[in-house]
Amino acid sequence: EAQVTQNPRYLITVTGKKLTVTCSQNMNHEYMSWYRQDPGLGLRQIYYSMNVEVTDKGDVPEGYKVSRKEKRNFPLILESPSPNQTSLYFCASSSLGVAGLSYEQFFGPGTRLTVL
Amino acid sequence: EDKVVQSPLSLVVHEGDTVTLNCSYEVTNFRSLLWYKQEKKAPTFLFMLTSSGIEKKSGRLSSILDKKELFSILNITATQTGDSAVYLCALNFGNEKLTFGTGTRLTIIP
Repeated sequence: EAQVTQNPRYLITVTGKKLTVTCSQNMNHEYMSWYRQDPGLGLRQIYYSMNVEVTDKGDVPEGYKVSRKEKRNFPLILESPSPNQTSLYFCASSSLGVAGLSYEQFFGPGTRLTVL
Repeated sequence: EDKVVQSPLSLVVHEGDTVTLNCSYEVTNFRSLLWYKQEKKAPTFLFMLTSSGIEKKSGRLSSILDKKELFSILNITATQTGDSAVYLCALNFGNEKLTFGTGTRLTIIP
């Protein structure tokens, strides 16, 4: 089954304790992206990647890191989480058409993160 | 800085009604506009629009883009309770960075 998986689905942690949220897709997609969703602010893009070893900042990259060492995986790293990073996080992937992002994005199920 | 604005923020209608959701934006140079439906979980794709004036249709849903007036609409006819969701639009500014609007929450009353 074609899908995007995220782990963990729920996480409660404390300020400053490094964490990683994993994202994996089995559709051989070139494009992967991380979003956070907060009430009243909608979905905001954190980082995206157009292929292995190629990553770019989205609208809200501060406090986050990503890596794309393999095509299928795109982990989100919070080196020193803070309470303002409490949010619902989505990973997404997509094929890239000849002219760039031309196809629908498939979203993972989301990770609800609480930082105390 | 709001580059993508959706209206209304919330809408409550009765089953069977027709609704029109709006997505307006400020920039003229973008590659595509996308519509998503989000129920309790992750967003699911509805439409991608790249050309002005060409309607995309899927069952009771349709969407059109007006690049001159800088907006897109999503129409849902003969609404059903299963249409209740948050509807999101997003712009791809050509560098594959997506900017989403805050969404319209649609509630269908039986």
